[in-house]
This record gives sequence, C-alpha cells and structure tokens, in this order.
Amino acid sequence: EVQLVESGGGSVQPGRSLRLSCATSGITFDIYAMHWVRQAPGKGLEWVSGISGYNHDIGYADSVRGRFAISRDNTKNSLYLQMNSLRTEDTAFYYCVKSSGSYFQGNYHFDYWGQGILVTVSS
Amino acid sequence: QSILSLPPSASGTPGQRVTIACSGSSSNIGSNTVNWYQQVPGKAPKLLIYRNNQRPSGVPDRFSASRSGTSASLAISGLQSEDEAHYYCAAWDDSLNGPLFGEGTKVTVL
Repeated sequence: EVQLVESGGGSVQPGRSLRLSCATSGITFDIYAMHWVRQAPGKGLEWVSGISGYNHDIGYADSVRGRFAISRDNTKNSLYLQMNSLRTEDTAFYYCVKSSGSYFQGNYHFDYWGQGILVTVSS
Repeated sequence: QSILSLPPSASGTPGQRVTIACSGSSSNIGSNTVNWYQQVPGKAPKLLIYRNNQRPSGVPDRFSASRSGTSASLAISGLQSEDEAHYYCAAWDDSLNGPLFGEGTKVTVL
C-alpha cells in the first residue's frame, strides 16, 4: 500500500520559516519525481514545486521561487520543503504528491497524494 | 497568463449525465495531456482520469473524458450521490514550466 505522510506544518508569523517533510512507503521512491501542491482554504489547487527522481532536476512556481526549496533523501524515502520568508498568502494545506514519471517536467500525472498538512501564516 | 477555465459549478439528479468542460491554450491542453482529479470534501484529491481519457484501476466507467484542440471535457454518466465533489482538470504548461490546475468545478447531486 502506498502511503505519503506529511509532517511539520503549523502556525507561524510572516517572515519566519517552516520545513515540511513527507515520509513515503510502498513505492520505489528514488525512481519517481515528487511534488508539493497546495490548496488555500476554500480555494483550488496550486502546484508549488517538483523534483525529479533521477537527476534531481527542480522546478518552482513563480509565487514561491527564491523563498522555498524542495529536496529529497532517497535513503530515507522522504521529500522535504523548506519554506522561508513566509507570507500570509502561503497559508494553505500542503500536499505531498507522487508523480507517475521520473522527471518533474512533462506529461505525467499525480497518482498518489498525501492527506495534506496545514500551514498557517499569520501575525 | 496561463489559465485552465472550468465552470464553478455543475449539477444533476441521480442517474443523469453531467459534463464539465475545461478550456486551455496551446501552451497547455493544446500540446500536453490532460488529467482530472476528484476531491471529496475534507479529503485529499484523487486521480480520476490520466492521459486525456484513461481511468486508473478502481475508477468506475461512469467517468469518461476526452481532449480536442485546446479543450477537454469530463463526463459523469449515471450520476450518483457519492460523485458530489470538486473536479479539477490539469495539464503541463510549457510557458509556466510546471503543471497547471483549473480552478475546480463543484458538482452537486440534486
């Protein structure tokens, strides 16, 4: 059974940092690209960042580029998102998502999603 | 600006057919495959359709989809109460260099 379990969320003040983790099981983690997708309360889905399985190519949405950093540890089957200089508009549920392919770019789909974790940025 | 347009809502009675249209552009739907996700309230999204018209195992054949040009559509035949959810189309966008989601359609079973 595939499981993606996010942790590290919570409430933080604007300008502060937070690090999300995603522990995975049931997949050959190092093969697949992984992504973070977020959803502000009551809003739609927004892609945040992705990282390839093989060569660790990385991509970011314009809204987070320069502030967020995605990484992975294939020895721990885990995905991370370091979020710096947080803004109120970063408040959202953050989902850890597995891609169907090895590269973060291209015609792949998101076949498994974590349950999501809430990040609240507020003063 | 890259956008995938979806109607905010759709509805039908049990047993009816509901269709949701997703409109994009040459940088997304026009050149890349379309996926659809279903999100039941309070739950994480779930893959419903991939590569324009393929159903993952476990997805009922009441759900079907197609792509033509810069548009795609999702059809739900024989609507059931458990189909009440938000539905999102998504496609890779060459301009954004990332996946793009539509804003979602809330399907209500009357």
